Amino acid sequence: AQTVTQSQPEMSVQEAETVTLSCTYDTSESDYYLFWYKQPPSRQMILVIRQEAYKQQNATENRFSVNFQKAAKSFSLKISDSQLGDAAMYFCAYSAYTGANSKLTFGKGITLSVRP
Amino acid sequence: NAGVTQTPKFQVLKTGQSMTLQCAQDMNHNSMYWYRQDPGMGLRLIYYSASEGTTDKGEVPNGYNVSRLNKREFSLRLESAAPSQTSVYFCASRTLRGQGSEKLFFGSGTQLSVL
Repeated sequence: AQTVTQSQPEMSVQEAETVTLSCTYDTSESDYYLFWYKQPPSRQMILVIRQEAYKQQNATENRFSVNFQKAAKSFSLKISDSQLGDAAMYFCAYSAYTGANSKLTFGKGITLSVRP
Repeated sequence: NAGVTQTPKFQVLKTGQSMTLQCAQDMNHNSMYWYRQDPGMGLRLIYYSASEGTTDKGEVPNGYNVSRLNKREFSLRLESAAPSQTSVYFCASRTLRGQGSEKLFFGSGTQLSVL
């Protein structure tokens, strides 16, 4: 079974600074997707960024980027120029390549606080 | 565009009571999912339905039943609620084909308390 590990329960960053959230996963698949979801206090689940395992290039979405190390099974999220609105819980998630029975497996999440 | 709609948003039950959480999506998605979220545990899959007419157990199915009523609707039933089922429940859906097919669309969640 696939597992996703987020070993840091909490992190804090100064506004305008950069922070990196760590995630590791375990799978025997060669094709899969990795995701970072953001959950603000509103409880809404927001997709921040996704990475396709067959792509060597790291995904980037504005201030959010990932460091995808396939051999090490590591998938970290870097938030640049942190803003107060980035304060939230962040979940790393894994999905085998799309198929009828594929499903997302989530890590336990990390709470990010942003200091003004 | 409503997306994924869950009802109710909040519910308080007494131990032993039953209830059904409703979920509907208007995106013509094939697959639907029920997750529960507990502090320090992330989101754990309860049940999922890969397509209309099929359902399968996820990681934590005990104490729950599901019904895929049609392509749009996927309900979660607690037959005899227990305090351990106090949680936030999320319904989600996704398509299986085309660009973006790996992306999950989430409902807004149901906060359930069992006393």
